[in-house]
Parts: sequence; C-alpha cells; structure tokens
Amino acid sequence: TQLLEQSPQFLSIQEGENLTVYCNSSSVFSSLQWYRQEPGEGPVLLVTVVTGGEVKKLKRLTFQFGDARKDSSLHITAAQPGDTGLYLCAGSSGNTPLVFGKGTRLSVIA
Amino acid sequence: NAGVTQTPKFRVLKTGQSMTLLCAQDMNHEYMYWYRQDPGMGLRLIHYSVGEGTTAKGEVPDGYNVSRLKKQNFLLGLESAAPSQTSVYFCASTRSGPAEQFFGPGTRLTVL
Repeated sequence: TQLLEQSPQFLSIQEGENLTVYCNSSSVFSSLQWYRQEPGEGPVLLVTVVTGGEVKKLKRLTFQFGDARKDSSLHITAAQPGDTGLYLCAGSSGNTPLVFGKGTRLSVIA
Repeated sequence: NAGVTQTPKFRVLKTGQSMTLLCAQDMNHEYMYWYRQDPGMGLRLIHYSVGEGTTAKGEVPDGYNVSRLKKQNFLLGLESAAPSQTSVYFCASTRSGPAEQFFGPGTRLTVL
C-alpha cells in the first residue's frame, strides 16, 4: 500500500513569514499533485509535478518534486491570510487511484 | 458549466436508515470517485468508477454501495447507516486516472 506522509500536520504563522510543508513516501510516484481546500469546499488543484527534480512556481508558492520521485515540498514566501487552508498532496502511479496525504492545515494570522 | 455537483449538501439520519447521495458532472469525464473526509484522516477513497457501468472498491468500501448507470452520474448508497459513517463526503471526477481531479462541494452527513 502506497502512503504519503505530510508534515507538519498543523502550522500557524504570522502574515509575511515563510513556510515549507513536506510530503514524503517510501514509494515512487509517476506524478504528484498539490491541492488546497478551503472550509466548506472541495479541494482545488494547485499544481502537478511529473519529473524528478522538477520545480514549479505559482506566484508566491514554489513546488518541488524530489529527484527520486518519492517526496515533494511546498514553500510559501511571505504568507498572506488568503493562503489559509488545508494543503493536500496526492500521488499517482499508473492508472491506479490517487493516494492522498492527510494534509497540512495552515493558518496565517494577520 | 456547473462542474461537479452533489445532492444533498446536508443530511441527518438515524441509525439504520438508508439514503443515496447523488454526484453529477457535466465535463464528460470517464472517471468518478467517492471519498469521505474525517478530521485527521485526510481523504479516503470509498468506491470509484472508470467508466459508465463500472465500479470498483477503494480503501474503505464497507457499508457503501455505488452505481454508475449514466456517465455523468455516480450514486453512493448507504443501506443501513451507522454513526461511524458520520463524515463529509466528496465526489470527484477526472478525464483519466492520473489527471487533475475536480471535486464537488461535499455532503455533510450526520448519523445519530
């Protein structure tokens, strides 16, 4: 069974601070997705990374896929209250269903 | 273009009652999924479908049944609800297995 471990589970920071959340596995994934979920809504895709070592940027968010395609990180620069939410990573291997991590709940305080 | 819709949004059941949750998508997606989300447990896959007329078990299928009679609809049934099935249920669809999943807004179910 493939598992994705996310850390930290909870993170509360002040506006303007930087942060990194991690998504780790002992399994290799062909691609990895990051989603953000706001209260009362379904998750929404932020990015998909498919190549080992790949780095993608989305405004103040930087996503990296590990060289061995077993882990990923999400770095947020100068966090804002609008970044508050649950961040989920999800791994794909072939055509099997996505495997989701348990999420990192981020709270950015103004 | 509504995307993925779920009906109902909220429901309260008594133990032993039955109900059906409806998921509909208008994106012509082949794959559809039912998840449950509980605090600290993330999203857990209940059942999924890779096309009209097909269904498959996910990680936590016990106590649930599904049907995909039409490509755009995926139904989740609880035959005899139990308090352990109190959760938020999300439906999702995608054009292929590893592609982006589009989620519905969720159904909050409480079983007393």
